[in-house]
Amino acid sequence: NAGVTQTPKFQVLKTGQSMTLQCAQDMNHNSMYWYRQDPGMGLRLIYYSASEGTTDKGEVPNGYNVSRLNKREFSLRLESAAPSQTSVYFCASSDHPPSQLSNQPQHFGDGTRLSIL
Amino acid sequence: GNSVTQMEGPVTLSEEAFLTINCTYTATGYPSLFWYVQYPGEGLQLLLKATKADDKGSNKGFEATYRKETTSFHLEKGSVQVSDSAVYFCALIDPQTGANNLFFGTGTRLTVIP
Repeated sequence: NAGVTQTPKFQVLKTGQSMTLQCAQDMNHNSMYWYRQDPGMGLRLIYYSASEGTTDKGEVPNGYNVSRLNKREFSLRLESAAPSQTSVYFCASSDHPPSQLSNQPQHFGDGTRLSIL
Repeated sequence: GNSVTQMEGPVTLSEEAFLTINCTYTATGYPSLFWYVQYPGEGLQLLLKATKADDKGSNKGFEATYRKETTSFHLEKGSVQVSDSAVYFCALIDPQTGANNLFFGTGTRLTVIP
């Protein structure tokens, strides 16, 4: 089972370059998430999509945009990369019905390690 | 607001030692609590969860009990193995937010030596 697949696994960018991180899940989950992981700070939510066609800001959305392309795919875009965005990015999904509150666990991809010079 | 505070690491133990990683939380609602584990080079994997007070989550020899009175969810294992070396994250979901997003602690790195 593939679960949550992220591409690429590694990327190096120069300041000011743009980049889209891809994420796809094959579990028919309604909700998808993007987190960044920085040393000493745990994971912080950037954006999430509770259901197809909707997106909302998380804790640290500045400098990012997202697109919920369809139920399977949720992409994260850096329009003009900055060194402060050097991080490991994780995509996750959960079976959260859009009309109900839920406490279902999230399933994570293996991460994208992004370095911005 | 919602937040998770967990024991800072790193933690180094000998094989077969007893493990405790402390986790306390604050939440506006009545959260569900989780422990995730991250092995080197991998994403996070759900280790165990508890959704109401006094529930005990358990998996792979790890246990954690949801203590509402102390707002805690400490992770324990009676005898650790080298293969348990990883980073452990305590997390919560507050269903009242409607977003189902996780609030994470900062993670605790565990190294088990033979």
